[in-house]
Amino acid sequence: TQLLKQSPQFLSIQEGENLTVYCNSSSVFSSLQWYRQEPGEGPVLLVTVVTGGEVKKLKRLTFQFGDARKDSSLHITAAQPGDTGLYLCAGAGGGAQKLVFGQGTRLTINP
Amino acid sequence: DAGITQSPRYKITETGRQVTLMCHQTWSHSYMFWYRQDLGHGLRLIYYSAAADITDKGEVPDGYVVSRSKTENFPLTLESATRSQTSVYFCASSDGTQGRYNSPLHFGNGTRLTVT
Repeated sequence: TQLLKQSPQFLSIQEGENLTVYCNSSSVFSSLQWYRQEPGEGPVLLVTVVTGGEVKKLKRLTFQFGDARKDSSLHITAAQPGDTGLYLCAGAGGGAQKLVFGQGTRLTINP
Repeated sequence: DAGITQSPRYKITETGRQVTLMCHQTWSHSYMFWYRQDLGHGLRLIYYSAAADITDKGEVPDGYVVSRSKTENFPLTLESATRSQTSVYFCASSDGTQGRYNSPLHFGNGTRLTVT
């Protein structure tokens, strides 16, 4: 069974701090997606990374796909309360005939 | 408005009852999915459909039935609800243009189901 492990599971920091969320697996994925979910809503796609070593930036969010395509990270610079939410990574391909989701990282940014 | 809508948003039912959760999308996406979200388990795939009249099992299909007679609708039925099916259910769609598993998912806002 393919597993995607996210760490940390919970993170609470002050506004203005930087943070990194990790998404790790022993399996190779053809692509990896990051979603953000707010309370009472469905997940919303933030980014898809496809190439090993790829880095994508979305304002203050930086996403990186590992060189071996087994892991990914999300770095937020100068976090703001609006970044609060559940962040989910999801890996595609690699032999599993489905999109595999991590358990999520619940991020709280305190004003 | 275009999008994916789920109904009802909240549902309380009793053990043993049949309940159907509805999902409707206006994008004409080929693929539709049903997930359940539980603490500690993340999102788990129940069933998916590649097109009208084509459905297949996901990771946790037992106790659920789906149908897709029209491209835009993908209802999920719990034939005889059990307490372990208490969860938040999300419907999603994708156009599949980047492949079945690489294409981004568009989620509805979920149905919170409680089985008493």
